Amino acid sequence: AQSVTQLGSHVSVSEGALVLLRCNYSSSVPPYLFWYVQYPNQGLQLLLKYTTGATLVKGINGFEAEFKKSETSFHLTKPSAHMSDAAEYFCAVSPMLSSGGYQKVTFGTGTKLQVIP
Amino acid sequence: EAGVTQFPSHSVIEKGQTVTLRCDPISGHDNLYWYRRVMGKEIKFLLHFVKESKQDESGMPNNRFLAERTGGTYSTLKVQPAELEDSGVYFCASSQDLNFQGRNFRETQYFGPGTRLLVL
Repeated sequence: AQSVTQLGSHVSVSEGALVLLRCNYSSSVPPYLFWYVQYPNQGLQLLLKYTTGATLVKGINGFEAEFKKSETSFHLTKPSAHMSDAAEYFCAVSPMLSSGGYQKVTFGTGTKLQVIP
Repeated sequence: EAGVTQFPSHSVIEKGQTVTLRCDPISGHDNLYWYRRVMGKEIKFLLHFVKESKQDESGMPNNRFLAERTGGTYSTLKVQPAELEDSGVYFCASSQDLNFQGRNFRETQYFGPGTRLLVL
C-alpha cells in the first residue's frame, strides 16, 4: 500500500524567497514519485517525477525535488518564488509495476502556496 | 497535440438527479483513469481502463457510480442518483503503454482540467 503526507496545507512565502514544500511517502515497493501543480481553474500539470537514477530531479518552472530513500521524503524546492507560482501542489506516489511503468497514483492532500509581493 | 479533455467543466444538480461526465483521453492512450477530489481532501483513484476493459475499479465508492469506455476511446462516468457527498472535482487522466525491448512500459499519466460537480 502507498500513502503520501504533505506537511502544511497552506504555505506562504515572499516573492523571491525560497519555496520548500514537504512530502513524505510510504510505499511497500519501490516507488515512482511525482509533484503535480494545479493553477486556479486549471487541471493538474506534472511538475516533475522521480523514477530511477539521479535522486535530484529537475522540473519545469525552476522547481526541483530530491528523493531521499532513508527519510522517505520527496520535498519540492525552488530557490526564488515568483508570483506566478501561486497554486496548489500535490505530491504523489505510484508503485513500480513489475513489468515497468506506473500503476494508479496515490496523492497527498495538497499544499496551497501563497506568494506575497 | 490535444490534451485530456473533460466535459462539462462544471455541473450543478439536485440530490437524486443523474449526471454524466465525459472524458476524452489523449489520442492513442490505451489507459484511462478516473480520480475524484472531495472538498478539501486528497485526490483519490476511482478506476482504470485499459482500452475498453476495466483493469481496476477498486476505488469506485458504490454502485451509484457507473463508468464505461465503449470502443476504447472516450469514457463516461455516470452518477445515479447523485448524493450530496458526491460533490467534488472529478479528474480524468490517460497514459500510453510503450513496448521497449519486448517489455511493456506504462508511461506517465496526463490529467484533464477536471469537472466540478456540485450536488445540492
